[in-house]
Amino acid sequence: QKEVEQNSGPLSVPEGAIASLNCTYSDRVSQSFFWYRQYSGKSPELIMSIYSNGDKEDGRFTAQLNKASQYVSLLIRDSQPSDSATYLCAVNPGLAGGFKTIFGAGTRLFVKA
Amino acid sequence: KAGVTQTPRYLIKTRGQQVTLSCSPISGHRSVSWYQQTPGQGLQFLFEYFSETQRNKGNFPGRFSGRQFSNSRSEMNVSTLELGDSALYLCASGSSGAQETQYFGPGTRLLVL
Repeated sequence: QKEVEQNSGPLSVPEGAIASLNCTYSDRVSQSFFWYRQYSGKSPELIMSIYSNGDKEDGRFTAQLNKASQYVSLLIRDSQPSDSATYLCAVNPGLAGGFKTIFGAGTRLFVKA
Repeated sequence: KAGVTQTPRYLIKTRGQQVTLSCSPISGHRSVSWYQQTPGQGLQFLFEYFSETQRNKGNFPGRFSGRQFSNSRSEMNVSTLELGDSALYLCASGSSGAQETQYFGPGTRLLVL
């Protein structure tokens, strides 16, 4: 069983719509959760980090964390064609300190103009 | 503040050779992690160094090794290269504290022939 699961997509949304990306994880004691955006041929870029239950908003992005359900999501409002990329969900156990981050396979998002 | 730098950006090697990759983290960050990204396996954690000590380790064979210097710069070495080692190798610079976060460098693309 994969430790971090994401819908591989592709997810296609029209410009201006809300894109909803979902992720589940298996390690109940995980501490830190991240969303990275990766354009083709580039390295991952940090979009959001979230550490406690609830919502965290940053501009057009909202991350939601539910540790009881072991679920983390990313909402992108007013989606733009430039948001077309692969979005990686990442989970860091963190209990022993430091990083041993596990990544999901990524969801490809297409925003149609 | 300068970002994460990795050298070289591209490498071509032949089977059986060895390779050394270098990473300089963001100023003030003492954590450096290495990841391998391939189309088939996705982004996989190799190891993390913190204050010149390996703090966390992934599930890669001993051919993959690393080290960190007193200035936090890190090197990763792969010995006896195999065709399957062809990948994008990513270095991540990690912040410390209650909300640890990682930022990726541009990566080194390694092709093994």
